[in-house]
Amino acid sequence: GENVEQHPSTLSVQEGDSAVIKCTYSDSASNYFPWYKQELGKRPQLIIDIRSNVGEKKDQRIAVTLNKTAKHFSLHITETQPEDSAVYFCAASMGTPLVFGKGTRLSVIA
Amino acid sequence: EPEVTQTPSHQVTQMGQEVILRCVPISNHLYFYWYRQILGQKVEFLVSFYNNEISEKSEIFDDQFSVERPDGSNFTLKIRSTKLEDSAMYFCASSEQGGGNTEAFFGQGTRLTVV
Repeated sequence: GENVEQHPSTLSVQEGDSAVIKCTYSDSASNYFPWYKQELGKRPQLIIDIRSNVGEKKDQRIAVTLNKTAKHFSLHITETQPEDSAVYFCAASMGTPLVFGKGTRLSVIA
Repeated sequence: EPEVTQTPSHQVTQMGQEVILRCVPISNHLYFYWYRQILGQKVEFLVSFYNNEISEKSEIFDDQFSVERPDGSNFTLKIRSTKLEDSAMYFCASSEQGGGNTEAFFGQGTRLTVV
């Protein structure tokens, strides 16, 4: 079955800097790659997703890139703010329920 | 904005006891899921449910587990005889469409502690 690896497990950045979180997946049939943000004590919420027919998608300060050949996808957050501090999960799906990465705890230091 | 709601937020139970975790999916959603996250580990898929039956389940979802949609709004996960290793955060999710290719909306989770 699908296996998703996520790095790093923790990430600290200065406010205003960029943050990059990387995920790899194992099954080339996966075609849907969402990213979820989970703030402390709150539910995971979808922040951006990408499908395999697209290489990059952007939404304001957040972008996701997908390299199907290498089977990896990345989340890029620019101009980070303290409210970006949270745990971020990547996931992959090939038409079956989501397979998640282990999560990255992002801390934005003011 | 519609939300998936879960109750209780925290459940402590003795080993061997039965627990029922409750979820109210978003009203127009047709696909329902349970995931769990053991502390420090990945979010893991347990089961998906559509049209009043299980559509897919993982190897974690053994005979100890069952799901039910007892009425038009609730979706429950029952663990028949809890074990220490069942301690985890359990997330319910729902989506308009199935197949995993569409946004899943998550509840806030129920933290289950088995003592």
